[in-house]
Amino acid sequence: SQELEQSPQSLIVQEGKNLTINCTSSKTLYGLYWYKQKYGEGLIFLMMLQKGGEEKSHEKITAKLDEKKQQSSLHITASQPSHAGIYLCGADLGSGGSNYKLTFGKGTLLTVNP
Amino acid sequence: DVKVTQSSRYLVKRTGEKVFLECVQDMDHENMFWYRQDPGLGLRLIYFSYDVKMKEKGDIPEGYSVSREKKERFSLILESASTNQTSMYLCASSFWPANEKLFFGSGTQLSVL
Repeated sequence: SQELEQSPQSLIVQEGKNLTINCTSSKTLYGLYWYKQKYGEGLIFLMMLQKGGEEKSHEKITAKLDEKKQQSSLHITASQPSHAGIYLCGADLGSGGSNYKLTFGKGTLLTVNP
Repeated sequence: DVKVTQSSRYLVKRTGEKVFLECVQDMDHENMFWYRQDPGLGLRLIYFSYDVKMKEKGDIPEGYSVSREKKERFSLILESASTNQTSMYLCASSFWPANEKLFFGSGTQLSVL
């Protein structure tokens, strides 16, 4: 079974709508990273969350870490076509929160229709 | 701007060929990584290196080797390419300690025929 489950796998929204992507771990989360990938390209770092309850925002994207639920959520407010892409979460599921062996979710494909 | 550069964007090779994928970073990062990305399987770690000449196996090292002779360069070697190694290969780097964010290259789409 997948250690980091992302939901939904894909999402189509109308421009201006809000949306949430979830990342749930089967193991203790020591830190969680969110990345965005344009089709066929490399990953762009969005945010890193390291403490339970931590919340970070960048422009219209907000991410939260719920350590008890072993889950993180990524929320986009008033989506725009520029938000379209694949969103991936990554985490160290070993010990200590290192990035040596990050496990990634399979990604959520976001389409934003104008 | 920070940069992780992968030598080829697209590569087509024949089964049995020896293939070299090169990655260079200009940020003086200690850590470098090679991942492969496949539909339905996501991103999987092949090898990583935390210092020159040091390497550690990731989750799927079979069929691959790596070389890090200089801090800025990390090479992935497919000793004898096979069709199941057709994939998108992504290089990444980061500072030590190991809880810093990863910077990724643009990827190399490798097709093995």
